[in-house]
Amino acid sequence: NAGVMQNPRHLVRRRGQEARLRCSPMKGHSHVYWYRQLPEEGLKFMVYLQKENIIDESGMPKERFSAEFPKEGPSILRIQQVVRGDSAAYFCASSPPGQSLREGQYFGPGTRLTVT
Amino acid sequence: AQTVTQSQPEMSVQEAETVTLSCTYDTSENNYYLFWYKQPPSRQMILVIRQEAYKQQNATENRFSVNFQKAAKSFSLKISDSQLGDTAMYFCARPDSGAGSYQLTFGKGTKLSVIP
Repeated sequence: NAGVMQNPRHLVRRRGQEARLRCSPMKGHSHVYWYRQLPEEGLKFMVYLQKENIIDESGMPKERFSAEFPKEGPSILRIQQVVRGDSAAYFCASSPPGQSLREGQYFGPGTRLTVT
Repeated sequence: AQTVTQSQPEMSVQEAETVTLSCTYDTSENNYYLFWYKQPPSRQMILVIRQEAYKQQNATENRFSVNFQKAAKSFSLKISDSQLGDTAMYFCARPDSGAGSYQLTFGKGTKLSVIP
């Protein structure tokens, strides 16, 4: 059973470009969460999605950031017009329906975004 | 704001010795879950151990165990017989209080070095 998959593992973008980060949850998991980790910090929640629905995006910056989890395919975190402050590790996690609290969340290996 | 506090930014331990990492948190709930995650140099987030607050018995997973003090809101991680592969960042986490409670709030982490 493959774990949570994220790609790319490393992404370099120039200021003003767009970044697209992809996440495929574990088999059987329908809940996806995105977190951001700044250097020397713990992970910070960004958004929680279920298939075709954004459940909670309270941790997302109001501008330039968006997320989706379509019926088919991976979840996408999209950052438009990237700035240096967007440089961070972005982690995706997944959980089976209704068991997030008990089972914890299973994390992917992360995507390290560097904005030059 | 919900907080999770890890008061030890860095720790070191001799191989085969025992080390304890501390974590305190705040909550207004009576029933909740707590987690320890490990982040090795590969940056993959790995769930190490979980504790359910309504269970009085401390959770154990092989060489990893917790000391859960509910009244003190303390959740420390003990690693016995430390191995070189235990070298990593360790994060304490708990779901946010409130409806849904799917957001994990992480502490800032403790960097553990196992010395040969």
